[in-house]
Amino acid sequence: DADVTQTPRNRITKTGKRIMLECSQTKGHDRMYWYRQDPGLGLRLIYYSFDVKDINKGEISDGYSVSRQAQAKFSLSLESAIPNQTALYFCATSDRTAIRAQHFGDGTRLSIL
Amino acid sequence: QKEVEQNSGPLSVPEGAIASLNCTYSDRVSQSFFWYRQYSGKSPELIMSIYSNGDKEDGRFTAQLNKASQYVSLLIRDSQPSDSATYLCAVSSNFGNEKLTFGTGTRLTIIP
Repeated sequence: DADVTQTPRNRITKTGKRIMLECSQTKGHDRMYWYRQDPGLGLRLIYYSFDVKDINKGEISDGYSVSRQAQAKFSLSLESAIPNQTALYFCATSDRTAIRAQHFGDGTRLSIL
Repeated sequence: QKEVEQNSGPLSVPEGAIASLNCTYSDRVSQSFFWYRQYSGKSPELIMSIYSNGDKEDGRFTAQLNKASQYVSLLIRDSQPSDSATYLCAVSSNFGNEKLTFGTGTRLTIIP
């Protein structure tokens, strides 16, 4: 089983719809992150959380919100989806050691028509 | 100026040769440096991390860090077709801050 699980893996929806992407992890890591990836733009940080009570905006948080329901769960919501939010979305986790390496889920491919 | 810069490629290397991937970063206080490999449509996979100046070797991979010149590189020896992927450089810019800043990646193709 994957250590970092994202659901759904693929989603096609219409402009204006509310969408939730979910991420759960069994690695026991405190820190969780949401990224989007677009061709030519690389990975960009949307939100991150260092523990259940800590939520921080990344570089492109507008139009998104998150919820850290538990140490192992971090969800990303698009309240009213728009076509330029079509992208590949990744959840990642990291622990408290000095290594700070992040481990990624398999991604959610989101298309907004 | 981008914080982490990589040549987007594509970089084509014959099978068995050494592939050399480069990355420069702008924040002088950067502490941690990572190389991720990403196959098309897949998630990034951590392959190397380096924190001190010099070389770090792991199998066919060698990461090189030069903080004075603000660059980090990845060498892949005896390149195999399975090494064909996009390689992402990532930098932790602030000490104690676990945010990573990613480059846009270099697409590597190993030619059989």
